[in-house]
Amino acid sequence: NAGVTQTPKFRILKIGQSMTLQCAQDMNHNYMYWYRQDPGMGLKLIYYSVGAGITDKGEVPNGYNVSRSTTEDFPLRLELAAPSQTSVYFCASSYARGVEETQYFGPGTRLLVL
Amino acid sequence: AQTVTQSQPEMSVQEAETVTLSCTYDTSESDYYLFWYKQPPSRQMILVIRQEAYKQQNATENRFSVNFQKAAKSFSLKISDSQLGDAAMYFCAYRAIYNFNKFYFGSGTKLNVKP
Repeated sequence: NAGVTQTPKFRILKIGQSMTLQCAQDMNHNYMYWYRQDPGMGLKLIYYSVGAGITDKGEVPNGYNVSRSTTEDFPLRLELAAPSQTSVYFCASSYARGVEETQYFGPGTRLLVL
Repeated sequence: AQTVTQSQPEMSVQEAETVTLSCTYDTSESDYYLFWYKQPPSRQMILVIRQEAYKQQNATENRFSVNFQKAAKSFSLKISDSQLGDAAMYFCAYRAIYNFNKFYFGSGTKLNVKP
């Protein structure tokens, strides 16, 4: 299994540009998450999904959108990039059985908005 | 609101010795999960250990163990026989047991291991 994969690894955007961060998992996990990690800080939850077609906001959703059309993929969309969105973005997935759940993280995407 | 606090931004330990990383949290809930994640320079987040709040017994994974004090809302990580590969950022995290969107991380502790 490849686990959780993310593309690209690194990207530079100009203010106002748009882009999609890709995330895929091959573990048949039902739950998927997007986090951002600002320098010197822990992770903050942007959006999460409990299954195909179901998404919900996390702690810091403003400026982002997500979709979950398949179990495997969970892309994160930035519509109008702002310098405040400079961060490292992590995707994670888990197989939740009741309240049991352990998240597995992708390698991260480093985004720089200039 | 739930918060997670790691008061030690950086720590150092000699190879083969023991080190303890501190974490405190604030919550009004009685059931929850606590985690320690390791983040090496590669930035990959790796689960080290997990503790269910409803379990009295402290979790242990090989050289890693926790001291979970529920009343004090404290969750420290002990690393025994420290190895050079243990050098990394360590994050403490809290998750509400019934709310998957309530997942909060501390600011991290950078662990240096000296040969």
